[in-house]
Amino acid sequence: EAGVAQSPRYKIIEKRQSVAFWCNPISGHATLYWYQQILGQGPKLLIQFQNNGVVDDSQLPKDRFSAERLKGVDSTLKIQPAKLEDSAVYLCASGSHQSTNEKLFFGSGTQLSVL
Amino acid sequence: GQQLNQSPQSMFIQEGEDVSMNCTSSSIFNTWLWYKQEPGEGPVLLIALYKAGELTSNGRLTAQFGITRKDSFLNISASIPSDVGIYFCAGRESGNTPLVFGKGTRLSVIA
Repeated sequence: EAGVAQSPRYKIIEKRQSVAFWCNPISGHATLYWYQQILGQGPKLLIQFQNNGVVDDSQLPKDRFSAERLKGVDSTLKIQPAKLEDSAVYLCASGSHQSTNEKLFFGSGTQLSVL
Repeated sequence: GQQLNQSPQSMFIQEGEDVSMNCTSSSIFNTWLWYKQEPGEGPVLLIALYKAGELTSNGRLTAQFGITRKDSFLNISASIPSDVGIYFCAGRESGNTPLVFGKGTRLSVIA
């Protein structure tokens, strides 16, 4: 079974530029999550989707971050404009269903460096 | 948001030694998960716990869901060099709340 696919693996941009990340979850998984992992920290949830609807985006900086999952499968996370403090690894995870017993499976992440 | 306290922050051990790490929360959790992350990769699920007092093993790894439901423990027996990595605990208060992560325990194994 294929895992969670993310691209690109690495991205280097200058501050104030825009960037987009793509995620394809495990086939059949209804829930999709974007996490931000700053160096030396644990992953921090940005947004959670259930199929094509947003379940939780309370920690997403909506003035510059946006995400969509239009057809309930793959998802895109965008940052516009980027700031220096956005340098981090952006992890996508998927789960089979939203419940207490849900297990999350992660992709390899996109490492973003903002200069 | 909810914070998890994970300790120790880092450990240096000799190959063959046993390792223990733990995670505590200020509120009651219904789920505890333990992940391992290696450089350049995403976290990989090791063990999932769903009931207070539950003890679950995965090879040389054993994790326990604390009886108070506010803590969890991970033990690694007879460590080997490939155990090197960062171990994260993660917990969920209910089915409608997001999974939150600790800051990780960085494990180094000296051969």
